[in-house]
Amino acid sequence: DAMVIQNPRYQVTQFGKPVTLSCSQTLNHNVMYWYQQKSSQAPKLLFHYYDKDFNNEADTPDNFQSRRPNTSFCFLDIRSPGLGDAAMYLCATSRDYGVSSYNEQFFGPGTRLTVL
Amino acid sequence: GENVEQHPSTLSVQEGDSAVIKCTYSDSASNYFPWYKQELGKRPQLIIDIRSNVGEKKDQRIAVTLNKTAKHFSLHITETQPEDSAVYFCAASIIAASGTYKYIFGTGTRLKVLA
Repeated sequence: DAMVIQNPRYQVTQFGKPVTLSCSQTLNHNVMYWYQQKSSQAPKLLFHYYDKDFNNEADTPDNFQSRRPNTSFCFLDIRSPGLGDAAMYLCATSRDYGVSSYNEQFFGPGTRLTVL
Repeated sequence: GENVEQHPSTLSVQEGDSAVIKCTYSDSASNYFPWYKQELGKRPQLIIDIRSNVGEKKDQRIAVTLNKTAKHFSLHITETQPEDSAVYFCAASIIAASGTYKYIFGTGTRLKVLA
């Protein structure tokens, strides 16, 4: 059974045309992460939600936004995609129990974004 | 800032030989160290992890060792097989400003097992 689902798996957009990527989870985890991964590089954390609390990484461009309407869903919005935004976007979840927890992250299959 | 160094960046071994990948982290508060295997075009898959209260953990052909004093941890794969060929990432868990945890990933090691 899929636990972290990402849609679509492949997304093609045009330069400057807004695009939204979707992530959903059946694990009831309270933390959700969005990563950008370019070829041959490590995943780069863009931001995370701790419950409803949004946390941006300092070097994440303003072009990237996120929404988490409920526990199960999280969206990544790219307002004006550039050629440099072509990458794999990975969603991950974890459960923070609040007391010295070891937070294994569960990754979705990713969405590969192509910008034309 | 926090970082995780990973070496080597590429590693080629003969089938049946062992492979060792090493990582060094900077945040002494890190308490969880997962290793991920990523095949081309697929998601990172957790293959083994270790917590800071343990020095070594083994799962069949895979083992991880942790030296908290030196802030080193290593992945050991024995009796390598062609299907072990992939990119391997280490990570260290750190406390984010939000109060929850996030990973700092190493730069990855491309392992090739030659038949």
